[in-house]
Amino acid sequence: DTAVSQTPKYLVTQMGNDKSIKCEQNLGHDTMYWYKQDSKKFLKIMFSYNNKELIINETVPNRFSPKSPDKAHLNLHINSLELGDSAVYFCASSQGVLRTGGTEAFFGQGTRLTVV
Amino acid sequence: SQELEQSPQSLIVQEGKNLTINCTSSKTLYGLYWYKQKYGEGLIFLMMLQKGGEEKSHEKITAKLDEKKQQSSLHITASQPSHAGIYLCGAPRYGSARQLTFGSGTQLTVLP
Repeated sequence: DTAVSQTPKYLVTQMGNDKSIKCEQNLGHDTMYWYKQDSKKFLKIMFSYNNKELIINETVPNRFSPKSPDKAHLNLHINSLELGDSAVYFCASSQGVLRTGGTEAFFGQGTRLTVV
Repeated sequence: SQELEQSPQSLIVQEGKNLTINCTSSKTLYGLYWYKQKYGEGLIFLMMLQKGGEEKSHEKITAKLDEKKQQSSLHITASQPSHAGIYLCGAPRYGSARQLTFGSGTQLTVLP
């Protein structure tokens, strides 16, 4: 069983479109994340979300929005896609607070988004 | 904001050689995570270090945490082609204990 699964694995779309990437975790974790990995392989946190708080990295454009229908899902919705949004997007999950003994973050396989 | 610097950015070694990757934080470290990423795949968790001076090993990979230096090192002994990939260090983001911030990664190539 895949612990953290994302769909689709590849997504090619035109500028200006709206798209969503789905993420599901079956680990019972209380926190989920979205990361963006650019062409230089730099991995940057976009959001973290649990049932108490949504933390948004200040550099994320408001065209990006996380949507969580339940504890096991955190989908990423992107409006008005731009060329610069092309990247690999990773979903992850963890349990507890990282600083005080929480689990490590488990990552999905990534979604390669190409905006043309 | 906290930044993690990794060195070297890329490393090419001959199979069988030892190597070390360093990760230095601009702020106090409250734990350090090491991940490996193969091309086109997600991140695989390697090790988590939470206390100063802590050292962990898994197979031929050893990681240490030096809190005073705000630094961690990852050492691979007798490298193999299967060790090739991108190694990323991550730390709880300063001011947000639920988020991991990552270094820029070290691309490791092991020549057979």
